[in-house]
Amino acid sequence: RKEVEQDPGPFNVPEGATVAFNCTYSNSASQSFFWYRQDCRKEPKLLMSVYSSGNEDGRFTAQLNRASQYISLLIRDSKLSDSATYLCVVNDPSNTGKLIFGQGTTLQVKP
Amino acid sequence: DVKVTQSSRYLVKRTGEKVFLECVQDMDHENMFWYRQDPGLGLRLIYFSYDVKMKEKGDIPEGYSVSREKKERFSLILESASTNQTSMYLCASSPRGRAPDTQYFGPGTRLTVL
Repeated sequence: RKEVEQDPGPFNVPEGATVAFNCTYSNSASQSFFWYRQDCRKEPKLLMSVYSSGNEDGRFTAQLNRASQYISLLIRDSKLSDSATYLCVVNDPSNTGKLIFGQGTTLQVKP
Repeated sequence: DVKVTQSSRYLVKRTGEKVFLECVQDMDHENMFWYRQDPGLGLRLIYFSYDVKMKEKGDIPEGYSVSREKKERFSLILESASTNQTSMYLCASSPRGRAPDTQYFGPGTRLTVL
């Protein structure tokens, strides 16, 4: 079983749509959770951290369910520029600073 | 802003060559990491270092070694490059002991081994 699992997609949505990505993680001892964004042929960049209470950054909302070991990302009013791969990331509980990356979910927003 | 730089964006080498990939960060981060990224396999950790002269194996260290002589620089070495090491190599850094362990990535080196 993969430590962080995501549906690879691709998700093809029209501009203006709302799209949700989900992710599950296997180690209940993980304490830090993130969504990273990676554009084609570029490096991953932090999109947002995910907090237990849920958090929002403009059109992006992240949720964490520790009991189910489940993380989600909701994008409202999709823009063409949102087209990218979204990586679900959790920390390695060994406290070495290591992160565990999901394989990513690809989003294509079409006009 | 954190800046992580890598010595080359694109590199072409021949089988059997020794290859050095350099990574430099300017934020005084203790932790540094080397990953490779391949289609369908995601990011896989090769080696990491949490201090000068310290190194730890990641998930796929075979065929690689690393060097961390200075805090800001972390080098990945392919002792004898092989075609299955053709990949995108990404370096990252993070501060130690400060949640939430966010890593900052360099732009990547796309290595082709012929």
